[in-house]
Amino acid sequence: EAGVAQSPRYKIIEKRQSVAFWCNPISGHATLYWYQQILGQGPKLLIQFQNNGVVDDSQLPKDRFSAERLKGVDSTLKIQPAKLEDSAVYLCASSRMTSGREADEQFFGPGTRLTVL
Amino acid sequence: QKEVEQDPGPLSVPEGAIVSLNCTYSNSAFQYFMWYRQYSRKGPELLMYTYSSGNKEDGRFTAQVDKSSKYISLFIRDSQPSDSATYLCAMSALRGGADGLTFGKGTHLIIQP
Repeated sequence: EAGVAQSPRYKIIEKRQSVAFWCNPISGHATLYWYQQILGQGPKLLIQFQNNGVVDDSQLPKDRFSAERLKGVDSTLKIQPAKLEDSAVYLCASSRMTSGREADEQFFGPGTRLTVL
Repeated sequence: QKEVEQDPGPLSVPEGAIVSLNCTYSNSAFQYFMWYRQYSRKGPELLMYTYSSGNKEDGRFTAQVDKSSKYISLFIRDSQPSDSATYLCAMSALRGGADGLTFGKGTHLIIQP
């Protein structure tokens, strides 16, 4: 079974520029998560999709971050404009829903390491 | 006070030692408790998954949950250099983290050969 794929693996941009990250979840996984992991911290949930609908985006800084999951498969996370404090690893995870409010374990991709200069 | 507290370390022990890692939490709604291992420049991978209070053993790994104290632990027996990594505790109110996982900071573990 192929794992969660993410690209690019590394990205360096200047502040105020825009950037986009891509995630391809495990086939058949209805739920997709984006987490932000700042150096020395644990991952923090940014947004959760079930199929192509948003379940939770309460911690997404919506003035600069946006995310979409067209057709309920791949997802993109965009930052525009980027700030220095956005430097982090952006992790995508997916899981299979077993019922309306329960899921199997989350599988994580390798992450995209963003550096904002 | 953060929802999940975890000592970031680093924790350095000799090969073969028993390692004890732990987390405390404040949200009594958490029912599912996980330990993830994260190697440098990799995504987290699930090690242990427990529900409510009790113990769970898998090979050299044992997870303990004490909900009355809001305290969880991971023990690693006969530690190996390949166990050197960051260990993240994570928890959620819904099975599988269907409500999103809340993580600790992670403990950086170093096993000295």
